[in-house]
Amino acid sequence: GESVGLHLPTLSVQEGDNSIINCAYSNSASDYFIWYKQESGKGPQFIIDIRSNMDKRQGQRVTVLLNKTVKHLSLQIAATQPGDSAVYFCAENSNPSGGYNKLIFGAGTRLAVHP
Amino acid sequence: DTGVSQNPRHKITKRGQNVTFRCDPISEHNRLYWYRQTLGQGPEFLTYFQNEAQLEKSRLLSDRFSAERPKGSFSTLEIQRTEQGDSAMYLCASSLVRVNSPLHFGNGTRLTVT
Repeated sequence: GESVGLHLPTLSVQEGDNSIINCAYSNSASDYFIWYKQESGKGPQFIIDIRSNMDKRQGQRVTVLLNKTVKHLSLQIAATQPGDSAVYFCAENSNPSGGYNKLIFGAGTRLAVHP
Repeated sequence: DTGVSQNPRHKITKRGQNVTFRCDPISEHNRLYWYRQTLGQGPEFLTYFQNEAQLEKSRLLSDRFSAERPKGSFSTLEIQRTEQGDSAMYLCASSLVRVNSPLHFGNGTRLTVT
């Protein structure tokens, strides 16, 4: 498939290490945030979401942290595996009072996992 | 697999031709979205449907673009008189009608205009 994100910032990690991917969002009124994983030739795949009334949410091997003070979001992946290699996007709901999710996506970070 | 389905996966067309893409959302999802993604960028919102009603269109959606969802199930996105700048991945997503329900994306249609 074609390459997603040819010139994206890249995070290189060793298999088994923990990964932290960071994202700055733009709208202080955004109330909902999502992390997506995108592999080459595929659409974005939902990983985890968090509402603005929370600071932290955990899933399977993933944790999302939200710092509303500095408008910062991070995704932590525990025990990173080769299958985690992909481009990761954060997205914010730019339509908090509109009743539906109009997502604005960040620029993306490529995660490269080395054996 | 009951995920979002998009067809075709790839489309190559000559400038000036019309193209149409189809999206079949997850069956219980009443909300449907179209996004466009160019290489190296995140997806950009194009338009949104709730059931058969098109409730919002981005300024990115020029007059050459039209989207429909006639029966509130599948949707089509048509581009008339394609231009080279239309080359991109066109992504469809769907979600439940519920506050802060996550969008689930299909694998997209890759359009190349020559």
